[in-house]
Amino acid sequence: QVQLQQSGPGLVRPSQTISLTCAISGDSVSSNSVGWNWIRQSPSRGLEWLGRTFYMLSKWNYGYGLSVEGRITINADTSKNQFSLQLHSVTPEDTAIYYCARWKHEEKYFDYWGQGTQVTVSS
Amino acid sequence: DVVMTQSPLSLPVTPGEPASISCRSSRSLLDSNGYNYLDWYLQKPGQSPQLLIHLGSNRASGVPDRFSGSGSGTDFTLKINRVEAEDVGIYYCMQTLQTPHTFGGGTKVEI
Repeated sequence: QVQLQQSGPGLVRPSQTISLTCAISGDSVSSNSVGWNWIRQSPSRGLEWLGRTFYMLSKWNYGYGLSVEGRITINADTSKNQFSLQLHSVTPEDTAIYYCARWKHEEKYFDYWGQGTQVTVSS
Repeated sequence: DVVMTQSPLSLPVTPGEPASISCRSSRSLLDSNGYNYLDWYLQKPGQSPQLLIHLGSNRASGVPDRFSGSGSGTDFTLKINRVEAEDVGIYYCMQTLQTPHTFGGGTKVEI
């Protein structure tokens, strides 16, 4: 059974960086058949896909949503079997519940989700 | 980006009765391989979203057969054959044809 356990601060100051981690059990972050994603949810934006990383053809690959491209970094840590989100230069508009989720490449769906982390951007 | 539009916004239901949710995409989700790249998710109160249907009409593992997905191209429907109390929550469609993956605004189902 795959489990995704999120961790990270719930309060971030404007202009600072949101840093969240998603620890994986029951699968490997470097598995070839899946991707590791960050998705957020807010009343104003609804559910918004932020980006993913995946290991394929012997290298790490990345894809990011246009709304956060340039401010977002997703990294995998194979030694800890986890992946992370960094969202830089945040504003109150980045206040949301952040989820990590596993993506199945062939079947094309998100099958496992983290528990969600409420992140508030406020001074 | 592909825009996903759901209706209705809110759906009052009666246990034992059928229910139906509509989802429309701004471009066709039908690929040349014959698959429709459309998923349905349910977010129960206080929980993360969970997968119900993928590729338009394939029920995910463990999903009761009272849930069914249909449609092709730009118009899709999620049907609940006989609603049960545990089906309350917000239902979302999501296109998986291209990134960024985009979600509908959600349909809140309540008893």
